[in-house]
Amino acid sequence: RKEVEQDPGPFNVPEGATVAFNCTYSNSASQSFFWYRQDCRKEPKLLMSVYSSGNEDGRFTAQLNRASQYISLLIRDSKLSDSATYLCVVARSGGSYIPTFGRGTSLIVHP
Amino acid sequence: DAEITQSPRHKITETGRQVTLACHQTWNHNNMFWYRQDLGHGLRLIHYSYGVHDTNKGEVSDGYSVSRSNTEDLPLTLESAASSQTSVYFCASSESFSEAFFGQGTRLTVV
Repeated sequence: RKEVEQDPGPFNVPEGATVAFNCTYSNSASQSFFWYRQDCRKEPKLLMSVYSSGNEDGRFTAQLNRASQYISLLIRDSKLSDSATYLCVVARSGGSYIPTFGRGTSLIVHP
Repeated sequence: DAEITQSPRHKITETGRQVTLACHQTWNHNNMFWYRQDLGHGLRLIHYSYGVHDTNKGEVSDGYSVSRSNTEDLPLTLESAASSQTSVYFCASSESFSEAFFGQGTRLTVV
């Protein structure tokens, strides 16, 4: 089982739709969680960190469920410019901080 | 502004040649990472370093080596390039428990 798993999609949605992605992780010692965005094999860029209490940034909401070991990303009012691959990232704690990436979920927003 | 840069951006080399990819960061981060990205696999960790003179193997380290002689640089060397090492390579840096910042990537083709 991979350490971080995501549904690769693609998710094909119309503009204005709400879309949700989930990500599961296997290492219960994981302490840091992030969502990254990657466009057309360019470098991944941080979209948002994920906190235990959940957090929101404009149209984007991230949530963490430690008991079930999954992370979610909700995008409301999708824009054409949201089309990209969304990467779930989990990092272990202790002396071995290593960001581990899921394979990514592809989102295509169409007019 | 702090940044992380990779060079070259594109490289074509022949099988069996030694190749070195450069990574330089001005964030003053202790942690540096090398990943490769291939279709169907996502980002996979090659090597990483937590500080000067510290290097560690990742999940796909065979055929690669790194050295860390200062905080800013973590060059990745392919000892004897193979066609299976054709990929896009990303360097990243971070502080522990914080997001990783990525370079723009190096697209390597081994012919």
